[in-house]
Amino acid sequence: DTAVSQTPKYLVTQMGNDKSIKCEQNLGHDTMYWYKQDSKKFLKIMFSYNNKELIINETVPNRFSPKSPDKAHLNLHINSLELGDSAVYFCASSQDTVRAYEQYFGPGTRLTVT
Amino acid sequence: DAKTTQPPSMDCAEGRAANLPCNHSTISGNEYVYWYRQIHSQGPQYIIHGLKNNETNEMASLIITEDRKSSTLILPHATLRDTAVYYCIVRVGGGSNYKLTFGKGTLLTVNP
Repeated sequence: DTAVSQTPKYLVTQMGNDKSIKCEQNLGHDTMYWYKQDSKKFLKIMFSYNNKELIINETVPNRFSPKSPDKAHLNLHINSLELGDSAVYFCASSQDTVRAYEQYFGPGTRLTVT
Repeated sequence: DAKTTQPPSMDCAEGRAANLPCNHSTISGNEYVYWYRQIHSQGPQYIIHGLKNNETNEMASLIITEDRKSSTLILPHATLRDTAVYYCIVRVGGGSNYKLTFGKGTLLTVNP
């Protein structure tokens, strides 16, 4: 009965590779988010989708490309991985944009780039 | 969104009330106060929010001063599982503001 799930939980890869992280929510929410938490523990929003449409795109390198095939899924694809991409990536969802203050977070994906 | 200031860390004895302060002296009239927490190795979890009245739910109570320049999150009977980083966030509610901006938060350690 997991609300927001992410796969994989851990991802270790080499510089230059391309990888994807998947996120699914079974809450029936309209809005989904991707956050990055770096080694200093700062949590920063990267993207947000509402009903499969991009509504937030922070200053994130264009190597990062989110894709929302349907309202329940928001995947994150990263091209040409760099050392600085190492972080924990969290997916989240909210009922809609009005209730964006109440977000439900997934367990995170720890990405390590070597 | 208004800036918030929180102590970097606090300790609390198990079973006692944990009172976590947050200063938001530049808060404007249409900004709400939201609290989240992040237990180690987990995603953040929404706790509670308020505008100007005190609020209570099954997790915590939120006390906002009359001038709204500060607030306190109260965990009435802290348990070891409440050890986490607690984030106070001030933002305009609803409308087109879709973002949550997390600061450094307060690391609450509940001791046995």
